[in-house]
Amino acid sequence: EVQLVESGGGLVQPGGSLRLSCAASGFTFSSYEMNWVRQAPGKGLEWVSYISSSGSTIYYADSVKGRFTISRDNAKNSLYLQMNSLRAEDTAVYYCARDKGVYYDSSGPGNYGMDVWGQGTTVTVSS
Amino acid sequence: EIVLTQSPGTLSLSPGERATLSCRASQSVSSSYLAWYQQKPGQAPRLLIYGASSRATGIPDRFSGSGSGTDFTLTISRLEPEDFAVYYCQQYGSSPRAITFGPGTKVDIK
Repeated sequence: EVQLVESGGGLVQPGGSLRLSCAASGFTFSSYEMNWVRQAPGKGLEWVSYISSSGSTIYYADSVKGRFTISRDNAKNSLYLQMNSLRAEDTAVYYCARDKGVYYDSSGPGNYGMDVWGQGTTVTVSS
Repeated sequence: EIVLTQSPGTLSLSPGERATLSCRASQSVSSSYLAWYQQKPGQAPRLLIYGASSRATGIPDRFSGSGSGTDFTLTISRLEPEDFAVYYCQQYGSSPRAITFGPGTKVDIK
């Protein structure tokens, strides 16, 4: 079964740090790009970060740039999000999501979308 | 940065009715990079549509997507009880890559 399982969430004080993990199983993790997406309580989805299959290309949302670091260990089938200098507005459920990647058809390249999601881990930033 | 706007915010319909959800981009978006997701309370999002009009694996054919440029539409031809949920559109930007989601449309039971 294709599965993503997040862990590492919890309660942390403003300015603190937390490291999230996402364990992948049931597919060849090293072949897929990955994302972190978060959802604040009662709010919509917000993309946080992207990492290529090899880890050589990384992007961040402006809201977390300079504070969060995405990484992966393909030997351990794991994705990580190191979160530093946490703020109250970082409070959210954090999802890891598999990016199915790029396709090519008659109109050129496209993207298959995020086709596998974990159940999420909750991060609460509060004093 | 491309901003996605979804309308209406809430759509109140009965089972069996047709649902039409709109996603509008602040500037032209390649349809190949436009996706739709469904999210039910307490659950992770589920990919419905990619490339603006292609159904993801296992998605029933009552779900269809269309559109180009700045205007995209998700249509549910006949609402089933399990379709009442929140729907998000999403686009992949480029140079540098950025991913944005719309604010969502809630489809609830009338």
